[in-house]
Amino acid sequence: GAVVSQHPSWVICKSGTSVKIECRSLDFQATTMFWYRQFPKQSLMLMATSNEGSKATYEQGVEKDKFLINHASLTLSTLTVTSAHPEDSSFYICSASEESSYNEQFFGPGTRLTVL
Amino acid sequence: AQSVTQLGSHVSVSEGALVLLRCNYSSSVPPYLFWYVQYPNQGLQLLLKYTTGATLVKGINGFEAEFKKSETSFHLTKPSAHMSDAAEYFCAVSEGDSSYKLIFGSGTRLLVRP
Repeated sequence: GAVVSQHPSWVICKSGTSVKIECRSLDFQATTMFWYRQFPKQSLMLMATSNEGSKATYEQGVEKDKFLINHASLTLSTLTVTSAHPEDSSFYICSASEESSYNEQFFGPGTRLTVL
Repeated sequence: AQSVTQLGSHVSVSEGALVLLRCNYSSSVPPYLFWYVQYPNQGLQLLLKYTTGATLVKGINGFEAEFKKSETSFHLTKPSAHMSDAAEYFCAVSEGDSSYKLIFGSGTRLLVRP
């Protein structure tokens, strides 16, 4: 149980285009979903927290107009990187948490974004 | 504010040797503590967690960790390293409030020598 999927697993795009990454909880209802960014050989940096049906809460320094997060249902959250630039290239990881899980987050496999 | 410190960005052990990965935290409230493992180009997998109760927590793959409140530590150990244990390990803390936010340490890369 507690499986989280991400799609796509990797994506290459041109500078200036937008990219959407999907995060799905496959066998549980995710009351809260999280989006992280991880640079090579570094730790995970939380970008934003989203609750189903509510606006996402962004961490300090994360541009909410650039990284659009939608959490329309209890099993799906999307991250859209708008007008992507090479510096947005990174590994993006989502996680999901259900209300009774003692704050345990279940992580997706990650999406490698490369912006040319 | 919460924080997590992992001493040693790299730890190298011989196969069969004891694994010890250190984690210290700061938290103003009783914390929930987690250890995650990450293999290259993959997401994070939970090894073990401490929420309440017994302070010695056993996880998957033979790992265990002990919550020591007096030392604000949650070190990860395994009696005998296996080649497949080579990976990046992250310690994380949560305040256990409704925010569910995790604060991660900087990670420790475990290298296992044959």
